[in-house]
Amino acid sequence: SQKIEQNSEALNIQEGKTATLTCNYTNYSPAYLQWYRQDPGRGPVFLLLIRENEKEKRKERLKVTFDTTLKQSLFHITASQPADSATYLCAPRPADTDKLIFGTGTRLQVFP
Amino acid sequence: NAGVTQTPKFQVLKTGQSMTLQCAQDMNHNSMYWYRQDPGMGLRLIYYSASEGTTDKGEVPNGYNVSRLNKREFSLRLESAAPSQTSVYFCASRDTGNTIYFGEGSWLTVV
Repeated sequence: SQKIEQNSEALNIQEGKTATLTCNYTNYSPAYLQWYRQDPGRGPVFLLLIRENEKEKRKERLKVTFDTTLKQSLFHITASQPADSATYLCAPRPADTDKLIFGTGTRLQVFP
Repeated sequence: NAGVTQTPKFQVLKTGQSMTLQCAQDMNHNSMYWYRQDPGMGLRLIYYSASEGTTDKGEVPNGYNVSRLNKREFSLRLESAAPSQTSVYFCASRDTGNTIYFGEGSWLTVV
């Protein structure tokens, strides 16, 4: 069955450092992969989408990589700030279905 | 432009009661979704609708029914609520660029 794995343990980093979050998937051939941010008590908010033919995508301090051979996406936040503290969810999606499954998310805590 | 609107925000039900969670989007999206989120479990897809008039099961459909009333509205019904259905429920819709927009959530407690 399709499986998406994100590190369930919280990631704690110091302000100014680069945070790197991992999303691994199995039994999937996603056409693209998305990353979302979720704050406590709120719905997730879209951050970035990367397609299967793209290796890397950037948006301001965010960078996403997509390795279809390793079946893995990495999500980087450079120069992290306490305001980046949240849970980050990945969602790979195959091309032939509207069904969208999310990983369990990784909680990031950036401390001053 | 309100985006995705869910009602009610909070609800307490007794075991065996029924209720409907309402969801509406004003962005003219074809695809809509219902998820539940439990601590440590992440978002789990209950049902989704690729277009008006169609619905499909997600990962955890048992105990739920849905109705895609029209393009705007996608409701989730619990026919006989159980304590295991205590959760936060999120409705969402998808645009043509594949971005998912979520509602603010509905907190449901079944006692």
